[in-house]
Amino acid sequence: LAKITQPISMDSYEGQEVNITCSHNNIATNDYITWYQQFPSQGPRFIIQGYKTKVTNEVASLFIPADRKSSTLSLPRFSLSDTAVYYCLVGGPHGSSNTGKLIFGQGTTLQVKP
Amino acid sequence: DAGVTQSPTHLIKTRGQHVTLRCSPISGHKSVSWYQQVLGQGPQFIFQYYEKEERGRGNFPDRFSARQFPNYSSELNVNALLLGDSALYLCASSGLAGNSYEQYFGPGTRLTVT
Repeated sequence: LAKITQPISMDSYEGQEVNITCSHNNIATNDYITWYQQFPSQGPRFIIQGYKTKVTNEVASLFIPADRKSSTLSLPRFSLSDTAVYYCLVGGPHGSSNTGKLIFGQGTTLQVKP
Repeated sequence: DAGVTQSPTHLIKTRGQHVTLRCSPISGHKSVSWYQQVLGQGPQFIFQYYEKEERGRGNFPDRFSARQFPNYSSELNVNALLLGDSALYLCASSGLAGNSYEQYFGPGTRLTVT
């Protein structure tokens, strides 16, 4: 299983771009990188998934360098409503061992800078 | 369209009791997964069911069991409750149409064991 490292917490001013980097040095060839967002007292919500280079959707962008040992989730303009925990997940396209198992770490708590 | 629904939203039980949590997946989704989330931690995988068969099991004791019904709804049962079972229990569904890393979570059931 890929060992995942991401910051425990980050803060940002509203209106700024926020980048959260996740390290996954031993990512396997068929692993995808997926990010989830979780607001307090809610279930996690799928944000974005990618395999290599760059993926963009209406919520965020995901940048994956050629070696795929890290990835960066980018939120274009941070707002108070983006305050949440962000989880970086790494695994095969059908989950771990095709069981659909998602392996969550502690995630990154993103908050407004005081 | 209705998302994943779970019932009850909150539950208080006493040590040694039994609890049943229920989940209805998004219409058309055949896969249901259960997760336990202790305060301050990421969700931990408990079970996955697909087409009424268990496809994956996390590192939880035999006191935890689950099943999936013909309409794809699911129940999670926990026997002989311990104080440490207090957590948010999350249900997630997916279509398993080639991308089970995109799972849709319900709001969870908050279980408190006293």
